Amino acid sequence: EAQVTQNPRYLITVTGKKLTVTCSQNMNHEYMSWYRQDPGLGLRQIYYSMNVEVTDKGDVPEGYKVSRKEKRNFPLILESPSPNQTSLYFCASTTGGGTGDYYGYTFGSGTRLTVV
Amino acid sequence: DAKTTQPPSMDCAEGRAANLPCNHSTISGNEYVYWYRQIHSQGPQYIIHGLKNNETNEMASLIITEDRKSSTLILPHATLRDTAVYYCIVRVLMDSSYKLIFGSGTRLLVRP
Repeated sequence: EAQVTQNPRYLITVTGKKLTVTCSQNMNHEYMSWYRQDPGLGLRQIYYSMNVEVTDKGDVPEGYKVSRKEKRNFPLILESPSPNQTSLYFCASTTGGGTGDYYGYTFGSGTRLTVV
Repeated sequence: DAKTTQPPSMDCAEGRAANLPCNHSTISGNEYVYWYRQIHSQGPQYIIHGLKNNETNEMASLIITEDRKSSTLILPHATLRDTAVYYCIVRVLMDSSYKLIFGSGTRLLVRP
């Protein structure tokens, strides 16, 4: 089944403790992206990657890092999490250089992160 | 900022057509309109997209006005499982990359 897999689904951590949220897709998509969703603010893009070893900042990149060493994986790294990073996170992928022209973007099931 | 305006909520009866409107009066000639939906806090699900012509797939139909300033998503026979938040999105090209800018969406409630 074509899908984007995120892990973990739920995570509670303490301020300052480094964490990684993994994202993997099995559709050979070039483009991958991370979003966060907060009440009243909708989905906002954190980082995106057009292809392997190519990453760029989205709208809210502060406090996050990403890497794209392999086409299928796009982990989101929080080096020193803070409570304002408590949010619902989604990974997405698509083909067509990020156009989504064929089947749109495929989103993962989400990771609910709480930083205390 | 989102380039679309949608009503915050709508409802329809099960089995009837659900027509969800969207205004995108500042859309540019080469910007596509996308529709996604989000059920509870699951990942958004792609529904349909279009540029100028009306589009139809197994999930829905998309009607785009001739001036492209508005569109309507039509769920022909709404079921209870169609209760969700529906996002109308204009895909924009920014910094050599395409971007989906999500607005607040329309919360659709399908009544039994």
